[in-house]
Amino acid sequence: DGGITQSPKYLFRKEGQNVTLSCEQNLNHDAMYWYRQDPGQGLRLIYYSQIVNDFQKGDIAEGYSVSREKKESFPLTVTSAQKNPTAFYLCASSLQGRYTEAFFGQGTRLTVV
Amino acid sequence: QKEVEQDPGPLSVPEGAIVSLNCTYSNSAFQYFMWYRQYSRKGPELLMYTYSSGNKEDGRFTAQVDKSSKYISLFIRDSQPSDSATYLCAMNWNSGYALNFGKGTSLLVTP
Repeated sequence: DGGITQSPKYLFRKEGQNVTLSCEQNLNHDAMYWYRQDPGQGLRLIYYSQIVNDFQKGDIAEGYSVSREKKESFPLTVTSAQKNPTAFYLCASSLQGRYTEAFFGQGTRLTVV
Repeated sequence: QKEVEQDPGPLSVPEGAIVSLNCTYSNSAFQYFMWYRQYSRKGPELLMYTYSSGNKEDGRFTAQVDKSSKYISLFIRDSQPSDSATYLCAMNWNSGYALNFGKGTSLLVTP
């Protein structure tokens, strides 16, 4: 079954900790994305990657970091510098970065405790 | 002004009604238009994908694009309680690096 897998589904973080959210896809897509979703805010782009070993900041990259060492994987680290990390995080991929539709994983709910 | 505007609702309709969901946009370069459905605490799933203007039908769903008015619509015929979800519009242009999303419209179909 092809798709995008995000893990874990729920994640709890203490103040001052870094946490890493996993995103894996077996769709052979070149482009991958991380979005953050808050109530009433819609989807906001954190980072995107068009190709292995390259990624770009989105609209709200501060306090986040990513890597793209493999085509299939695009992990997101939420650092302690992110002041308000509690949110629903969505990973997506698309065949090409521009004019093709994106497919989403099931999301990770991050809560700061 | 946000590039993509979408009324958040909530929109409540009785089962069997025709539902009309809409988005407006400001960037005339947008050519690729999508509608996603998102159930609570789940990732969005792609419903419809259209290029440029015109209509596209898939079962009970019809997507409509009017580029002259910068307006897109999603119609749901014979709505069902299982259609209750948030509907997100998204769009892009040739040089765009990622989709531009509306904030989503919450739909409730009551039995």
